[in-house]
Amino acid sequence: EAGVAQSPRYKIIEKRQSVAFWCNPISGHATLYWYQQILGQGPKLLIQFQNNGVVDDSQLPKDRFSAERLKGVDSTLKIQPAKLEDSAVYLCASSLGWGPGDTQYFGPGTRLTVL
Amino acid sequence: KQEVTQIPAALSVPEGENLVLNCSFTDSAIYNLQWFRQDPGKGLTSLLLIQSSQREQTSGRLNASLDKSSGRSTLYIAASQPGDSATYLCAVYGGATNKLIFGTGTLLAVQP
Repeated sequence: EAGVAQSPRYKIIEKRQSVAFWCNPISGHATLYWYQQILGQGPKLLIQFQNNGVVDDSQLPKDRFSAERLKGVDSTLKIQPAKLEDSAVYLCASSLGWGPGDTQYFGPGTRLTVL
Repeated sequence: KQEVTQIPAALSVPEGENLVLNCSFTDSAIYNLQWFRQDPGKGLTSLLLIQSSQREQTSGRLNASLDKSSGRSTLYIAASQPGDSATYLCAVYGGATNKLIFGTGTLLAVQP
């Protein structure tokens, strides 16, 4: 079974530039998550999709971050404009369902450096 | 607001030692607690999941315990190996929010 795919793996940009990340979840997984992991911290949930609807985006900085999940499959996360404090690893995860019993499978992440 | 803390932040041990990683959480109203492993450049891998009604879970050389009333969990690794070197994260599901709340992690180095 193929895992969660993410691209690019690394990205370096100047502050105030825009950047987009892509995630392809495990086939058949209804729920998709984007996490932000700042160096030395645990991952923090940014947004959660159930199929192509947003379940939780309470911690997404909506003035600069946006995300969409096309046709309930792939997802993109965009930052515009980027700030220095956005430097982090962005992790995508997917699960079959939505609930405490559903195991989340994580992709390798995209490491973003904002200069 | 649920807060998850892990101690120590980093640990270095010689190969073969038994070790304990600690995790504490502030809101005991959780559904479950998970321990994850994170290798550099890779995503997180779930190691053990303990339901709120359970006291412990075991997988191979790993044993995780949960004391929900005191807000604590421990991950015991027996006979550590260099391949165990990674960052170990605990995460709780539940409390005031239905999402995974992660701790800051413990960076483990097992010296050959």
